[in-house]
Amino acid sequence: DTEVTQTPKHLVMGMTNKKSLKCEQHMGHRAMYWYKQKAKKPPELMFVYSYEKLSINESVPSRFSPECPNSSLLNLHLHALQPEDSALYLCASSQHTSDSHNEKLFFGSGTQLSVL
Amino acid sequence: KNQVEQSPQSLIILEGKNCTLQCNYTVSPFSNLRWYKQDTGRGPVSLTIMTFSENTKSNGRYTATLDADTKQSSLHITASQLSDSASYICVVSARETGANNLFFGTGTRLTVIP
Repeated sequence: DTEVTQTPKHLVMGMTNKKSLKCEQHMGHRAMYWYKQKAKKPPELMFVYSYEKLSINESVPSRFSPECPNSSLLNLHLHALQPEDSALYLCASSQHTSDSHNEKLFFGSGTQLSVL
Repeated sequence: KNQVEQSPQSLIILEGKNCTLQCNYTVSPFSNLRWYKQDTGRGPVSLTIMTFSENTKSNGRYTATLDADTKQSSLHITASQLSDSASYICVVSARETGANNLFFGTGTRLTVIP
């Protein structure tokens, strides 16, 4: 199994809703990432979990709350989002962290989020 | 400042033709350079990873080159197919710890037409 699975694939939510994005991998990877990607732009790093601990938070607003329940799962809890938060949210994983030489990043297919 | 620039921004080619995409970077200290293919609305898929000592690496019809002295890379696609239509993203990794050390280019949007 060399897949990173993200659910849901599409999500439409209002600004007062609370929703969660889920990510799962069973490759034994110990680093997991959340990226945000706007149309025709490169992915922007949001969070990095290394060995189930938050190691990088790229100054992301608190309306985005990550959670890593175990080494295979990564969630992103959403609350009180703004329309400008509409984007493709990508989860990725790697064996350790991108510090490692030749570390290969595996991306999920993403969740396309629309905030109304 | 660590930057990755790609050219052209977009490219349209006929099916069966070859093409070359360019990536220039200023990332330092350099660790490795990756090329990804991203279909619209999907996650990027890794094509190649090259370290400082590697000049070329192939993956089927995709061949990446790296000149670490001039800090340039190219991705050559041979005998293009309709399924090659996608964005191709160059990502450079810096040899740093405890930081966001992956730098993404803005991508080249390739369209292959019949």
